[in-house]
Amino acid sequence: GAVVSQHPSWVICKSGTSVKIECRSLDFQATTMFWYRQFPKQSLMLMATSNEGSKATYEQGVEKDKFLINHASLTLSTLTVTSAHPEDSSFYICSARDLDPRGRTEAFFGQGTRLTVV
Amino acid sequence: QKEVEQDPGPLSVPEGAIVSLNCTYSNSAFQYFMWYRQYSRKGPELLMYTYSSGNKEDGRFTAQVDKSSKYISLFIRDSQPSDSATYLCAMRRNSGNTPLVFGKGTRLSVIA
Repeated sequence: GAVVSQHPSWVICKSGTSVKIECRSLDFQATTMFWYRQFPKQSLMLMATSNEGSKATYEQGVEKDKFLINHASLTLSTLTVTSAHPEDSSFYICSARDLDPRGRTEAFFGQGTRLTVV
Repeated sequence: QKEVEQDPGPLSVPEGAIVSLNCTYSNSAFQYFMWYRQYSRKGPELLMYTYSSGNKEDGRFTAQVDKSSKYISLFIRDSQPSDSATYLCAMRRNSGNTPLVFGKGTRLSVIA
């Protein structure tokens, strides 16, 4: 299957600092990437839809000023958790879908990033 | 009623058993149906991908979609301990880059 690379796979940061998570599609281009958050033993919760060259669309209840999303190119989207607090500790996962309509239309996921804020 | 319902389990079966995992949904606009496997602390891995109704087989895995009943299934034959994971159903409408809607996931344990 297609490869979506997410980095870092885990990070520990101090309260009040910011953390940036990268999501790259390695063998296809994606105009749209999705960011999810997952709590232990829970399903994936969509946070936002990231569109290349434009502002992200955030789901209700997700603070756009806290979770900054930048989709600078067709292969890279970043999620920055600003002024992180312990309650932001979670598993963050990105996914991407092939731009080419003749290509695969299923979504592929990154490996996930486990964020721990201390 | 949630858009996608999935029994979270846990489901425990002996090695070699046939496993049946199911999801129901309420939105008749869903056209694409997927099953993902997720190991602990890893991202979901796409297992099966089906468009509209019908069956699809890949090795030990068979996916079925019954749009008239709004019901999808994943069957795992000759289950192995390595199949122990959480299985998530997901689906989306047939319009642009709409996000997937996920079930809660079913935790499966295959006991050797």
